[in-house]
Amino acid sequence: DGGITQSPKYLFRKEGQNVTLSCEQNLNHDAMYWYRQDPGQGLRLIYYSQIVNDFQKGDIAEGYSVSREKKESFPLTVTSAQKNPTAFYLCASSTRTAGTGANVLTFGAGSRLTVL
Amino acid sequence: AQSVTQLDSHVSVSEGTPVLLRCNYSSSYSPSLFWYVQHPNKGLQLLLKYTSAATLVKGINGFEAEFKKSETSFHLTKPSAHMSDAAEYFCVVSDGGATNKLIFGTGTLLAVQP
Repeated sequence: DGGITQSPKYLFRKEGQNVTLSCEQNLNHDAMYWYRQDPGQGLRLIYYSQIVNDFQKGDIAEGYSVSREKKESFPLTVTSAQKNPTAFYLCASSTRTAGTGANVLTFGAGSRLTVL
Repeated sequence: AQSVTQLDSHVSVSEGTPVLLRCNYSSSYSPSLFWYVQHPNKGLQLLLKYTSAATLVKGINGFEAEFKKSETSFHLTKPSAHMSDAAEYFCVVSDGGATNKLIFGTGTLLAVQP
């Protein structure tokens, strides 16, 4: 079945450590996204990528980094510069971003990061 | 700039009674609007979308929403709630630009009482 796989599902980190969250999709989607979810705040966009080897900052990119070396993969690194990294992180993909209409996002099951 | 407001953070209904989750949007042009559902510790799943076709949109699991431009609303309804409908629901507006940026509401947590 096609879909998005995020790993790990749960992750614990000590302060000052970098961690990388994996996101893999087999939907042949061009665009991929990372969102952060905090209680009562909805989803906020961290980074997005419309094509391989290209990505753009979202609304809350500070303290995060990404790469897009393959169409299927869009890993997110939470660096030690992120002041409040404890959150639920969601990866998503869509078929295209430009043109008329709006495209539906397919989401992964999420990764919950807790900083100890 | 586009924005979306979900008017209720929590809604509680009894099983078998109607569901109404309210959403108002702000947009400088004809928007695309979505409702997503999220069960605990899961990703989001699309319920339905409006993209300037019919104003009454039917989605999965018996949900529907009506786009009302005069009221700038896109409320989600279901005639009869089921226990499995208990989840968090997000109203979303698209900016329609080249980046397809989505603006998420803060969510409405739906509880269904037996």
